[in-house]
Amino acid sequence: NAGVTQTPKFQVLKTGQSMTLQCAQDMNHNSMYWYRQDPGMGLRLIYYSASEGTTDKGEVPNGYNVSRLNKREFSLRLESAAPSQTSVYFCASSFTGDNQPQHFGDGTRLSIL
Amino acid sequence: GQQLNQSPQSMFIQEGEDVSMNCTSSSIFNTWLWYKQDPGEGPVLLIALYKAGELTSNGRLTAQFGITRKDSFLNISASIPSDVGIYFCAGPMTTDSWGKLQFGAGTQVVVTP
Repeated sequence: NAGVTQTPKFQVLKTGQSMTLQCAQDMNHNSMYWYRQDPGMGLRLIYYSASEGTTDKGEVPNGYNVSRLNKREFSLRLESAAPSQTSVYFCASSFTGDNQPQHFGDGTRLSIL
Repeated sequence: GQQLNQSPQSMFIQEGEDVSMNCTSSSIFNTWLWYKQDPGEGPVLLIALYKAGELTSNGRLTAQFGITRKDSFLNISASIPSDVGIYFCAGPMTTDSWGKLQFGAGTQVVVTP
């Protein structure tokens, strides 16, 4: 069972470079999410996609864009990376509706110099 | 949005001891979730609570949904080395945003032999 797969696992960028983080799930989930995790702050929602073809902003969307490519894939793009975007990024997926648990990938560790 | 306050921030315990942590909110939650994150991995759902007063167990873990709906508790009994990790509480950001989770800052648990 692959579950939620994120690529790459690690990446170092220079300020101003662009990058796309990839996420794919094989659980036939409708909804997908992108979070960032910073020390002492838990996880914060960046963007989410309730279903294929829809995306919406979360708590901290500035500096990011997303694409729900199909039901399986949800990518996160940094157009012009900034040091403040150094973080661990997690993708998650779930079935749509109340009380549906979210399943997380293992994260992408991104450093911006 | 609602603020989740999780405490303690960290715990250093001996193997065999019981562990207690809690999460409080300034607003009412309809769902409380408890996740565990192992080093280098994504969070994994441990327990989900859906009703005020609900007490739910998962092996040595027990969680309770506070009567006021503004707090939740997680207890780990007879801790073992594999209990090491970060434990997060989480809940929906608003009453109608089932998928948009807000996370506490986490409780780091370290178990010594």
